[in-house]
Amino acid sequence: EDQVTQSPEALRLQEGESSSLNCSYTVSGLRGLFWYRQDPGKGPEFLFTLYSAGEEKEKERLKATLTKKESFLHITAPKPEDSATYLCAVQAVNYGQNFVFGPGTRLSVLP
Amino acid sequence: DSGVTQTPKHLITATGQRVTLRCSPRSGDLSVYWYQQSLDQGLQFLIQYYNGEERAKGNILERFSAQQFPDLHSELNLSSLELGDSALYFCASSVDSSYGYTFGSGTRLTVV
Repeated sequence: EDQVTQSPEALRLQEGESSSLNCSYTVSGLRGLFWYRQDPGKGPEFLFTLYSAGEEKEKERLKATLTKKESFLHITAPKPEDSATYLCAVQAVNYGQNFVFGPGTRLSVLP
Repeated sequence: DSGVTQTPKHLITATGQRVTLRCSPRSGDLSVYWYQQSLDQGLQFLIQYYNGEERAKGNILERFSAQQFPDLHSELNLSSLELGDSALYFCASSVDSSYGYTFGSGTRLTVV
């Protein structure tokens, strides 16, 4: 059965304290792995798409990487405004245009 | 503003009732997706429409139905509501899902 898990469930960091979030997946025929950011009471906001193992994408303080079984979202020197829930989602060949979302990691960055 | 508009933002209704949630996709996007987000289930795919046609179904209950109109806006109809249907309902649109979806800000449904 296809699965997407994320760890940790919640993470509290001090401002400037770098860390990584993990997304592990078991799907057949991965087409893409997507990262979203969700603020409370709002819809998820698209961040990155990764297609193949070894690929990396960067945006400001965020860098996403992909291996054959997992993806990491590295947060370098985070700021309080980075506080949000980070969701990963996978798209597989038998999903059509749809995704399976992970449960998310709730990140809090304290000033 | 993401460009995907959902109305209403909040909805409180009683068990057994029927409600309609509305979504206007981003200009140029032909695909509309509906997702349900509850605290214990995360984001669950319900249904997808593409240019007026149903394209894919996920974990959508028989009490729920949707349609996409010629102007591409979509409606999600929820009937015989139960307490467990309380959740955030998101609409998303895309021109090509390879670039991810654009989500609306959601409708928070509370069934009392």
